[in-house]
Amino acid sequence: KAGVTQTPRYLIKTRGQQVTLSCSPISGHRSVSWYQQTPGQGLQFLFEYFSETQRNKGNFPGRFSGRQFSNSRSEMNVSTLELGDSALYLCASSLDSGTTLYEQYFGPGTRLTVT
Amino acid sequence: QKEVEQDPGPLSVPEGAIVSLNCTYSNSAFQYFMWYRQYSRKGPELLMYTYSSGNKEDGRFTAQVDKSSKYISLFIRDSQPSDSATYLCAMSAGNFNKFYFGSGTKLNVKP
Repeated sequence: KAGVTQTPRYLIKTRGQQVTLSCSPISGHRSVSWYQQTPGQGLQFLFEYFSETQRNKGNFPGRFSGRQFSNSRSEMNVSTLELGDSALYLCASSLDSGTTLYEQYFGPGTRLTVT
Repeated sequence: QKEVEQDPGPLSVPEGAIVSLNCTYSNSAFQYFMWYRQYSRKGPELLMYTYSSGNKEDGRFTAQVDKSSKYISLFIRDSQPSDSATYLCAMSAGNFNKFYFGSGTKLNVKP
């Protein structure tokens, strides 16, 4: 079974630009969550989507947004990039049912560098 | 104060040693507890998942949860060099998939 895939793996952008990251969950998984990982703040929850609806949201500014498609694939968008947005962006998917309710499986991440 | 506190290490042990990794938390509503292993330049890999208090064992790994002390532990027996990685604890109050992560402990197992 294929794991969670994220594209692109690496990205370099300049301040003020916007960026879109993509995540394909494990087949059959309906929940997709996004996290930002930095050396200073660690892993921080951005938002979670389930059945095309945002179900949970972390404490990030409105420049960070996301969406989920009917096939459970998800995208996140960051507008007006700032230097502090440089981070590893991780996507995680879960089946979200039964005994595996909270078992999240992570992708390899997208390394975003803002210059 | 962070919701979840974890000693960043690094923790260096000889091969074969028993390793103890710990996290403390402040939110008494947390009920679901997870441990992840993250190798350099990779995404976190789920190791253990426990609900409420108690112990859970899986091979060389044992997870313990003490809700009265707001303290969780991961024990690794017979540690191997391949266990060298950063270990992250994560927890949730059960509001779907909103997890809070510790900052991670870097473990180095020396051959």
